[in-house]
Order: sequence, then structure tokens, then C-alpha cells
Amino acid sequence: DAGVIQSPRHEVTEMGQEVTLRCKPISGHDYLFWYRQTMMRGLELLIYFNNNVPIDDSGMPEDRFSAKMPNASFSTLKIQPSEPRDSAVYFCASSLAGAEQYFGPGTRLTVT
Amino acid sequence: DQQVKQNSPSLSVQEGRISILNCDYTNSMFDYFLWYKKYPAEGPTFLISISSIKDKNEDGRFTVFLNKSAKHLSLHIVPSQPGDSAVYFCAASAGTGRRALTFGSGTRLQVQP
Repeated sequence: DAGVIQSPRHEVTEMGQEVTLRCKPISGHDYLFWYRQTMMRGLELLIYFNNNVPIDDSGMPEDRFSAKMPNASFSTLKIQPSEPRDSAVYFCASSLAGAEQYFGPGTRLTVT
Repeated sequence: DQQVKQNSPSLSVQEGRISILNCDYTNSMFDYFLWYKKYPAEGPTFLISISSIKDKNEDGRFTVFLNKSAKHLSLHIVPSQPGDSAVYFCAASAGTGRRALTFGSGTRLQVQP
């Protein structure tokens, strides 16, 4: 199995631009999670889906952030407009029946 | 408010010795606990977990101990190997399904050859 795939691995953008992060979960997994890691706040859950339906988005910092899961094999996290404080590593993870989560390699986002 | 705390940011041990990583939690609703290992430029990797109905779970060189009354868990690695050098995160979840994880801030373990 290829594991959780995230793209791009690195993204550098200017403040105000739209950023889209992508994730392909492990085939057969029914849960998908988006996390953000920063020095200040550590690893925090942003949103998670079950069977493509958003279940809990209470961790999404503000309306500039949105996430979608149009099918079982693809999810996006979009930031529009981006700000320097959004700079972080964003991880996607998936799991089967809500058990142990398997993480992707992350996308390092830098907003200048 | 940090609900999961790893108070030691770093730990250094000699190869072959025991590594003990500690984690404290404040939310009494947490009933499932996990340890993840993270290497640089990679995502966290699941290591071992424990349910609140147990006080110990073992997997090879890794053992997790849970003290519910003290709201404390620890990860023991015996014997420690240089390849174990990584950042270790403690995580916890509550309720059925155990989906949303709350992570600690991590402890960087360095195993000296």
C-alpha cells in the first residue's frame, strides 16, 4: 500500500493568494483527518470526515479555511486568502473505523 | 488549555538502556491513548496504544503503562536503539469511536551509540 499521499510537499505563496492542499487516503479507510503543526500550538486537529461527510470542523481556525471530500479517495484543504500566520506543516491522516490513524508526509506551507 | 502534556521536551539515553517517556492528561473523559513516533520531514507513525480498561500494553521493545488515578501514562523502550531517535507524541481520545485525537507537544528522544 502506498500509504497516505499528500501534495504538494512544499508550498510557498504570497499573502492573499489561495492555497489548496491535497490528500489521498489509504484505500478502504473510512475516516480522513486534517491536522496542522506549528511551533506554538503543536499538532492540532482541524477537521475530520467519515465516509466523505464532515463530522467535526470545530478545529478549523476561521472562515478562510475550508475542506472538502468529494469522494473516498480524495480530499482538499483550501485557504483563501492565505496569511503569514497560516505557515505550518499540514498533515492528512486516514483510519479504518476510527482506529489508529495513519499520517501522510505533510505539506510544509510558507506564506510570505 | 493543554489537555495532554509532555513536560520533557527532550531526553537522551545510551544505546541498550531503557528510555522512559512520560505523558500527563487532564481530561477525565479520555479513555484511549496512543503513542506516535515522528522522524524529520515525515508524518507521525503509530507506535502503540492502550485502552483505559488496561494498565499495560506491550509490543516488542515498547510497553505503555497507564495510571488512571494519576492521569499519567508512560512509554518504555527497552533496549533503546539509535534508530529510536525521533520525536515521540502522546495522544488521547474520548468516547466511542475514538476519532478526534488530542496530541501532546512531543518529546525528542536521542539514543547515543
